Amino acid sequence: DVKVTQSSRYLVKRTGEKVFLECVQDMDHENMFWYRQDPGLGLRLIYFSYDVKMKEKGDIPEGYSVSREKKERFSLILESASTNQTSMYLCASRPGSRGLSSYNEQFFGPGTRLTVL
Amino acid sequence: GENVEQHPSTLSVQEGDSAVIKCTYSDSASNYFPWYKQELGKGPQLIIDIRSNVGEKKDQRIAVTLNKTAKHFSLHITETQPEDSAVYFCAARGGGGFKTIFGAGTRLFVKA
Repeated sequence: DVKVTQSSRYLVKRTGEKVFLECVQDMDHENMFWYRQDPGLGLRLIYFSYDVKMKEKGDIPEGYSVSREKKERFSLILESASTNQTSMYLCASRPGSRGLSSYNEQFFGPGTRLTVL
Repeated sequence: GENVEQHPSTLSVQEGDSAVIKCTYSDSASNYFPWYKQELGKGPQLIIDIRSNVGEKKDQRIAVTLNKTAKHFSLHITETQPEDSAVYFCAARGGGGFKTIFGAGTRLFVKA
């Protein structure tokens, strides 16, 4: 049974703080993703990674960075948190080598609700 | 850019009735269309998907239809039950097979 876990369910931070959101998957998936979910906007891709130490920008990367030092772990970093980064953050993983994962199921973690005051 | 539009944003049905959620996509290279259900406090979970070489797929009370020409796809839930109440997302993936584009979501309420 695939499991994607996220380090926190709820997080409250202050403007300007550096924030780390951690995601771990236990199924040896090559691909990992970070999304943010906002009402009426669906899920928007922030960054993704198709291999260790590899990362690519998604649709809304500004204000975020990522790190993937190990295959099972993908971290999202908010260098200097701002109030407009208050959101639900979802991590996901998916098997398949790059370019060959068209039909593979994507598995999501439970989400981290981040509030920036 | 690539876009997926989803309607309606909110849907309320009586238990036992059918529910239909519709999506359109813009990228004609899309070849995979998953549907996700997100219950309160949980991440989205895949409930059904369809590939571009298939027009319809059914799994018990849920079915998806795909019209590639019109770039429309729909989710049909029959005999709805209160536990079907959730947010549903359609999505499209294709081209390089990497990015999944999600619709804005439909909040479904099933009234007992």
